[in-house]
Amino acid sequence: DIQMTQSPSSLSASVGDSVTITCQASQDITNYLNWYQQIPGKAPKLLIYDASNLEAGVPSRFSGDGYGAEYSLTISSLQPEDAGTYYCQQYDTVPGIITFGPGTKVEIK
Amino acid sequence: EVQLVESGGGPVNPGGSLRLSCAASGFSFDYYTMNWVRQAPGKGLEWVSSISVDSYYIHYAESVKGRFTISRDNAKESVWLQLNNLRVEDTAIYYCAKKRRLGYSGYDPPDWNFDVWGRGTLVTVSS
Repeated sequence: DIQMTQSPSSLSASVGDSVTITCQASQDITNYLNWYQQIPGKAPKLLIYDASNLEAGVPSRFSGDGYGAEYSLTISSLQPEDAGTYYCQQYDTVPGIITFGPGTKVEIK
Repeated sequence: EVQLVESGGGPVNPGGSLRLSCAASGFSFDYYTMNWVRQAPGKGLEWVSSISVDSYYIHYAESVKGRFTISRDNAKESVWLQLNNLRVEDTAIYYCAKKRRLGYSGYDPPDWNFDVWGRGTLVTVSS
């Protein structure tokens, strides 16, 4: 099984700051990596798919990067509405191999 | 408006059963693989099951294989998850989620990006 880790597990930053969350897979996942945002009490929302593609309607301050086994999500200018938990998710083209990371909680100072 | 609405959750004893429903609207339901993803209280996300547009390709997480059954009816724009032999560790919010890329009969896209989610339904397994 592919294991996913995220760092940091939580962070606190100010409005306007740039923050980066990283996601590490236990093996090369060939850009099959998505990022979701979950606001407390709400369903997850797709932000970035396949490592670097911005989902329609998602603000351009969100960006994804990476390759191989290491990926990152950057929020370039943190806004109050960005508070929540961010999950990475890897998948394999072999069906059923879908794993989420443990999440990174983002708080606004 | 694109929407998924889950229902059918509730309290159940260990070993019991429940049937979860997900009603879709606002998109061409019969072109998309549908999924269930769950989240235990205070925990992360776990993919549970998927069903392709023609119900030909069906997949389950190892943790639920043999106990849960997914099905769909394109005419009713609905997908269901039958939960049998429930365990305490199945306690979670169950979300219905749509695969981002469309498929067609005999073809299930190989990418697993979930672009539309419902608000979830809570299943609580406890004696």
